[in-house]
Amino acid sequence: DGGITQSPKYLFRKEGQNVTLSCEQNLNHDAMYWYRQDPGQGLRLIYYSQIVNDFQKGDIAEGYSVSREKKESFPLTVTSAQKNPTAFYLCASSRTGEVRNQPQHFGDGTRLSIL
Amino acid sequence: QQPVQSPQAVILREGEDAVINCSSSKALYSVHWYRQKHGEAPVFLMILLKGGEQKGHDKISASFNEKKQQSSLYLTASQLSYSGTYFCGTGISNFNKFYFGSGTKLNVKP
Repeated sequence: DGGITQSPKYLFRKEGQNVTLSCEQNLNHDAMYWYRQDPGQGLRLIYYSQIVNDFQKGDIAEGYSVSREKKESFPLTVTSAQKNPTAFYLCASSRTGEVRNQPQHFGDGTRLSIL
Repeated sequence: QQPVQSPQAVILREGEDAVINCSSSKALYSVHWYRQKHGEAPVFLMILLKGGEQKGHDKISASFNEKKQQSSLYLTASQLSYSGTYFCGTGISNFNKFYFGSGTKLNVKP
């Protein structure tokens, strides 16, 4: 079955450490997205990519970095510059980058906490 | 830019109806609705494009009033499985931009 796989499910970060969250999709979608969700709140866009080798900052990109070297993969690195990384991170994809008229398919998320 | 949802939370008994509203300060191209169960991924419900259409999906339907920049999600004869947090997402006219609302938590009790 096609879908989005995020790993790991839970992740702990030490002070000053960079950590990378994995996101893989086999839906053959062009566009991929990373969202951050804090308790009781909505989804805020961190980064998005409409095609391979291209990505754009979202609303809260500071302290995060991404790459899009393959169509299937869109890893997110949470750097030490992100001082409050504790949150639920969701990866999503859509068939095209025309995000206004495309449904987004989500992975099961990664829950990141500070040690 | 983020749409505003109301109410923030609602508690229902099985069989009761609910309406969730979503409004934007920006001219809208589209409205999307998603449902998220606790600790799980959001699941897509429906998209409404500008043109004032109404869509239905079993006992869950939605309307989109482009002029008022508003959408409403209607849940009729609610079931226990309807519990979760409902998010609207708005696609902005003139820009390929999309924003999620802060969610409405729906709790359906037996």
